[in-house]
Amino acid sequence: SQQGEEDPQALSIQEGENATMNCSYKTSINNLQWYRQNSGRGLVHLILIRSNEREKHSGRLRVTLDTSKKSSSLLITASRAADTASYFCATRILTGGGNKLTFGTGTQLKVEL
Amino acid sequence: GAGVSQSPSNKVTEKGKDVELRCDPISGHTALYWYRQSLGQGLEFLIYFQGNSAPDKSGLPSDRFSAERTGGSVSTLTIQRTQQEDSAVYLCASSFDRGLAQPQHFGDGTRLSIL
Repeated sequence: SQQGEEDPQALSIQEGENATMNCSYKTSINNLQWYRQNSGRGLVHLILIRSNEREKHSGRLRVTLDTSKKSSSLLITASRAADTASYFCATRILTGGGNKLTFGTGTQLKVEL
Repeated sequence: GAGVSQSPSNKVTEKGKDVELRCDPISGHTALYWYRQSLGQGLEFLIYFQGNSAPDKSGLPSDRFSAERTGGSVSTLTIQRTQQEDSAVYLCASSFDRGLAQPQHFGDGTRLSIL
């Protein structure tokens, strides 16, 4: 089963609105990363948050991490049509495994004009 | 330099044939990963190479799957005696090293269709 599970599976919003996606995971982690995937393309790294961090910002992105609840959220503010993509969380487990990431099932975001 | 390059971008083949998928990582990246993504799904880890260390093959679904990385650079993923359930997008990624906080850089994948 997937380490990470995103919620919702699909999200449709209007341009200018904020989009929030959630990720839950099962085991202790070293860090959690968010990636974006445009249709037919590979994944692009967006942001990384370490297990000892609670919140991180990058441009219009805001990520939170609650290790007690084993959950993270990705907030995209003032969304644009170009933000339409699938978003995946990925976890790096605490010990062993090299830099192997375990990906969630993704949230499909559609931003309409 | 250039990003991760994968070839072919699309491959259609008949059930039972062997296929080879190629990945050219970012120059200087010592870590290389293969993933499989089925339609509308997340990524399933297949195999991980780090420098000259023995690869982590723990994600390979069967002995029909194998991968090599020659000279610490280009990698090929081979699927023997393909089955219809092998149809998926195969993604390759590389990272600078095995550091805990290294992001992975992905290619655009090979879309494999087994008839």
